[in-house]
Amino acid sequence: AQSVTQPDIHITVSEGASLELRCNYSYGATPYLFWYVQSPGQGLQLLLKYFSGDTLVQGIKGFEAEFKRSQSSFNLRKPSVHWSDAAEYFCAVGAPLNSNYQLIWGAGTKLIIKP
Amino acid sequence: DVKVTQSSRYLVKRTGEKVFLECVQDMDHENMFWYRQDPGLGLRLIYFSYDVKMKEKGDIPEGYSVSREKKERFSLILESASTNQTSMYLCASSLLNQPQHFGDGTRLSIL
Repeated sequence: AQSVTQPDIHITVSEGASLELRCNYSYGATPYLFWYVQSPGQGLQLLLKYFSGDTLVQGIKGFEAEFKRSQSSFNLRKPSVHWSDAAEYFCAVGAPLNSNYQLIWGAGTKLIIKP
Repeated sequence: DVKVTQSSRYLVKRTGEKVFLECVQDMDHENMFWYRQDPGLGLRLIYFSYDVKMKEKGDIPEGYSVSREKKERFSLILESASTNQTSMYLCASSLLNQPQHFGDGTRLSIL
């Protein structure tokens, strides 16, 4: 069965430090891959996506993610976090469904920023 | 910019009531989705729709129904609300094979 695992429920980093959020998926073929961010009390905003091509993907707000097929991973990175990055981050896999796709979601990682 | 609007940010209802959650998108998207979000469980798909008057069950459709009479509007209906339906409800829309865009969510409490 298809699944997405975000191993870290919470991560705490200091402002200005680098960040890596982990995402592993279980899927037979190369999926569509997404990272979304959710600020408190808000909906989800797309940070970046991977459909095909270059495995290093640049997104908004200075985030990037790298698709590693051999590790079934799509980890999210940022070189220097800001206090405004405190939020919950969701990884998702797009599994084809008819001529469309359906998203399978990880449980999320809550990012806490220390001043 | 895509705008997905959910009719209420907060809603309090009583057990047994029929509850309607409304979602409107302004970008002519074919796809619309209803999720519920609970701590530690991520997002779970309730229903989705790929076209007007078309609906498909997601992972947790029990206790819910949907209506899509117009392309821009997708309604989620709780036929007889129960306390275990207290949750955050998120609506999303997308073009075919494109990323989903989300509304701000409705936090629903069933007393």
